Amino acid sequence: LAKTTQPISMDSYEGQEVNITCSHNNIATNDYITWYQQFPSQGPRFIIQGYKTKVTNEVASLFIPADRKSSTLSLPRVSLSDTAVYYCLVGKNAGNMLTFGGGTRLMVKP
Amino acid sequence: DGGITQSPKYLFRKEGQNVTLSCEQNLNHDAMYWYRQDPGQGLRLIYYSQIVNDFQKGDIAEGYSVSREKKESFPLTVTSAQKNPTAFYLCASSIGVFTEAFFGQGTRLTVV
Repeated sequence: LAKTTQPISMDSYEGQEVNITCSHNNIATNDYITWYQQFPSQGPRFIIQGYKTKVTNEVASLFIPADRKSSTLSLPRVSLSDTAVYYCLVGKNAGNMLTFGGGTRLMVKP
Repeated sequence: DGGITQSPKYLFRKEGQNVTLSCEQNLNHDAMYWYRQDPGQGLRLIYYSQIVNDFQKGDIAEGYSVSREKKESFPLTVTSAQKNPTAFYLCASSIGVFTEAFFGQGTRLTVV
């Protein structure tokens, strides 16, 4: 089971780009990398998923280097409403596909 | 309007009583999951089910039980054997293992 390591917290200001890096040194060949966002007292919300290189959607970009031992979630021009906890997940089976670690608590300031 | 519904939102029980948390989805998803979240912590997997009439233990299954008699429903029972049941409980579902998971709004259980 690939374990993930993320910074516990990050601060940013409105309008800045935020990059949250997740380390997953033991990632397996068939593992996917998925990021979720959680607001207080709510369930997590899927943001983005990738396997290699770069994935972009309307919310974020996910950068995955060739060795896949880490990944970076990039949030462009954050706003106050992006203040949340962001979780990086790695896995391929139902049992570990949704194994959440502690996440990164992002605080966006005005 | 498709989605995943947890009820109730808040639940209070006396110590020693079993309590069942409801989770229903109309997304036609095969996989369903239960998580526990304590204040300031991440989510911990309690049980998951990939198909009807089958479920697997997660990381913290002790003191909990589930059933999956219907595709749409995955109720969680918190038994009196659970030492510290007060927590925020989240249910989720997904089409399959590689796809996006959808979460309910959660049930906050307080045992007094």
